[in-house]
This record gives sequence, C-alpha cells and structure tokens, in this order.
Amino acid sequence: DTGVSQDPRHKITKRGQNVTFRCDPISEHNRLYWYRQTLGQGPEFLTYFQNEAQLEKSRLLSDRFSAERPKGSFSTLEIQRTEQGDSAMYLCASSLRDNTDTQYFGPGTRLTVL
Amino acid sequence: GENVEQHPSTLSVQEGDSAVIKCTYSDSASNYFPWYKQELGKRPQLIIDIRSNVGEKKDQRIAVTLNKTAKHFSLHITETQPEDSAVYFCAASKPTNAGKSTFGDGTTLTVKP
Repeated sequence: DTGVSQDPRHKITKRGQNVTFRCDPISEHNRLYWYRQTLGQGPEFLTYFQNEAQLEKSRLLSDRFSAERPKGSFSTLEIQRTEQGDSAMYLCASSLRDNTDTQYFGPGTRLTVL
Repeated sequence: GENVEQHPSTLSVQEGDSAVIKCTYSDSASNYFPWYKQELGKRPQLIIDIRSNVGEKKDQRIAVTLNKTAKHFSLHITETQPEDSAVYFCAASKPTNAGKSTFGDGTTLTVKP
C-alpha cells in the first residue's frame, strides 16, 4: 500500500495521559497536514509541514499539542495531559507541492479519552 | 479566515435520481475546490476537484460547477447508485495557504434502492 498510513488506528486513554500518533505520508510528498474531525463535522486544520519545517499552526492547537516531522518524512502528533474534549478522529494528509496540491488522506487515528 | 458552508446536511434520493450538493465560500482568494467522499469509518477520498480558472468539470457521473462571482460551487451526481451513499465534504483552499483546506460540515447522502 503506497498511500498515507497512520498508527495506531484506535487509541483509548485516560484523561491526563499523553498520547502520540504517527503518520507516514506518500513517499514523494513534501507537504504533510494534520486535521481533527469530530462526529458530524468536516476535518479541521491543525498544522502542516513542508519537508521538516512546521509552517503553520491553527489556534485550535493548544500548548498541549505538538507535532514534529524531524526528517521530512513521517510525522508525529503528541497530545499531553489529554482531556475528554480531545476525543476525535485525527487525520493526516499529504500532498506534493506542485500546481495541484491535491491532498490524500490517511485512515485516521480515533482517540477516545475516558 | 475562510468559511465554507455546505447544504443540505442530509439528502435522500431514489436510485437513478440526481443529487446536488452546494457550498459557498467567503474568501475570494480561494482558487482550489476539492470534493471528498467519506464512507463510514473510512478516510476521506478525493472524488473530483476544480480550480478557479474553469467553470465546470465532469468525470463520468460526477460533475462540479463553480461560480466565482457568487462564490459558490456545487457537486452533481447523476444516475445515483446505493454505493454512492456516504458523507460528502466540500473544501476550499488558496495558494497563500499552501493547500491548507477549509472544509464544509458535510452532506450525508442516502441513495435508496
């Protein structure tokens, strides 16, 4: 499978715990995006990377959230001191910086905070 | 920032009928408008997209139209089939945002056999 992959697919955690998600983009794609999706809503932009540089962060991304893409390939999204309101589907997407910038989504990580 | 509104939130049609979903956007600088189909528990899949230099694009049973002046775009599905049942999202992005997309809230399409 040469598409975007995410791990884990599901994560259940207790409030206050830290969690980390991983995204592996399509190999030649240099842009990587993180979105959050809650039930009945469209994906909401969180942050994006061009290669290893994090170029934009949404104000939705509180201080408890941090994302990295250390070598410009895979990315991790960490949530510290999780809260019940963090429960959502976390989607990763990647694109090739060309004149289309078409984004391809991964299957998502569903986070449940108890 | 960009705001995208999508209507209707739910749509039920008989198999074989057409379905139309409409979106409006607020930022006139937006120039790329993709549509995604998301089946339950699955990832959003791009089904068609349009850029602001064209007014209409068609791919088999799916078409998208864009009215830049009115800042709205629509998805048209003809000869609907039960497997078209899913949630459809529209989105808008602009070159200065490096492809960051603002999504609508989705339309749940149900095609009754």
